[in-house]
Amino acid sequence: DIVMTQSPDSLAVSLGERATINCKSSQSVLYSSNNKNYLAWYQQKPGQPPNLLIYWASTRDSGVPDRFSGSGSGTDFTLTISSLQTEDVAVYYCQQYYTTPPAFGQGTKVEIK
Amino acid sequence: EVQLVQSGAEVKKPGESLKISCKGSGYNFTNFWIGWVRQMPGKGLEWMAIIHPGDSDTRYGPSFQGQVTISADKSSSTAYLQWSSLKASDTAMYYCMRHETYYYGSGSYGYYYYIDVWGKGTTVTVSS
Repeated sequence: DIVMTQSPDSLAVSLGERATINCKSSQSVLYSSNNKNYLAWYQQKPGQPPNLLIYWASTRDSGVPDRFSGSGSGTDFTLTISSLQTEDVAVYYCQQYYTTPPAFGQGTKVEIK
Repeated sequence: EVQLVQSGAEVKKPGESLKISCKGSGYNFTNFWIGWVRQMPGKGLEWMAIIHPGDSDTRYGPSFQGQVTISADKSSSTAYLQWSSLKASDTAMYYCMRHETYYYGSGSYGYYYYIDVWGKGTTVTVSS
């Protein structure tokens, strides 16, 4: 099974500042046939279900603000919030869907400093 | 609007059986892999199992194989997750979810990818 490891476990960022979350997979999730990284990011606000932010490592889902961006390839990925807003306080999860089971990272909690 | 509507909260005793449900609407239920994610209190997300309602093909996470059973009823567009004998450690929030599913050619296998739709969750509490 592929293991997903996020860092840090939590971070506190000032309003308007950049937040960066890292996600590392135990093996590559880049499918060579189509050159796509099978990696998604989700946001879970307190008391709510998760919500899809980014798929194929860098494609924003419909309606997701452009301050959210995803990057990386192979085994190392990053979610960046360019200018943190109050409504971005949440736990963020990466997930690979390259193999079964499509494992999640352990989550990164983002708070306001 | 695509929606997954889950059944209500459950309180059970250890050893009891349980079946929770998730009704899909706003899309062709038979064409998308649908399944369940567990979130234990204060913890992260764990992918449990999925089913393809069109042919009842299933996939289970290793930790959940043999512990739960996933099923689906095409006629009512409803997916289910059931336990035959609950444990206290089954206490958790259970989210129904839909995987984006791609078909490469007519009659081909449906490949599942990222999770694009989530239900609101069903709380299961198991306590004596």
